[in-house]
Amino acid sequence: SQQGEEDPQALSIQEGENATMNCSYKTSINNLQWYRQNSGRGLVHLILIRSNEREKHSGRLRVTLDTSKKSSSLLITASRAADTASYFCATGLNTGFQKLVFGTGTRLLVSP
Amino acid sequence: DAGVTQSPTHLIKTRGQQVTLRCSPKSGHDTVSWYQQALGQGPQFIFQYYEEEERQRGNFPDRFSGHQFPNYSSELNVNALLLGDSALYLCASSRRAESETQYFGPGTRLLVL
Repeated sequence: SQQGEEDPQALSIQEGENATMNCSYKTSINNLQWYRQNSGRGLVHLILIRSNEREKHSGRLRVTLDTSKKSSSLLITASRAADTASYFCATGLNTGFQKLVFGTGTRLLVSP
Repeated sequence: DAGVTQSPTHLIKTRGQQVTLRCSPKSGHDTVSWYQQALGQGPQFIFQYYEEEERQRGNFPDRFSGHQFPNYSSELNVNALLLGDSALYLCASSRRAESETQYFGPGTRLLVL
């Protein structure tokens, strides 16, 4: 079963606009990660935030984590057509062996 | 430096058949995890192999089995295929079992008719 929900399920914006995606999860975690998937192919790791961190930046990406609300958000600034993809959050719980539990994903469409 | 590779890219099988999917991890990685992604859904964890042993398993029936070889490559076997097994099967590798970041291959798309 999925760990949680992502919101919105789909998002359509124009190039240059910002895109915000939200992720909620259910259980305790060690870290939360965001992945991108183009056209149903492999996933590309974007950014990881640990449970003791509240915000992290990487290029045009900004991730926040609120463990009290069991939620995270991914902000993509100044979006480009190449950002069109599905975005998934995944929670990691390290018990000696880490598995990832993915959300349901947000489909982002960036129009030129 | 090659990333994670998977074969075949696409596969068509009929109900009741058996299938074997293959994965070669990224250079330097020793842990392989397998995920199933149904259309329109997020990936779901099947199992993880480290030191040639299954270390963790998700909520999948025994029809799903795997193997890891001494060179760290891995196979996923599915017996008695059902229509519901149609999905994208993703392999991910990491440097060690507890590593936070996993690197994914392009996947094998399985269609069961």
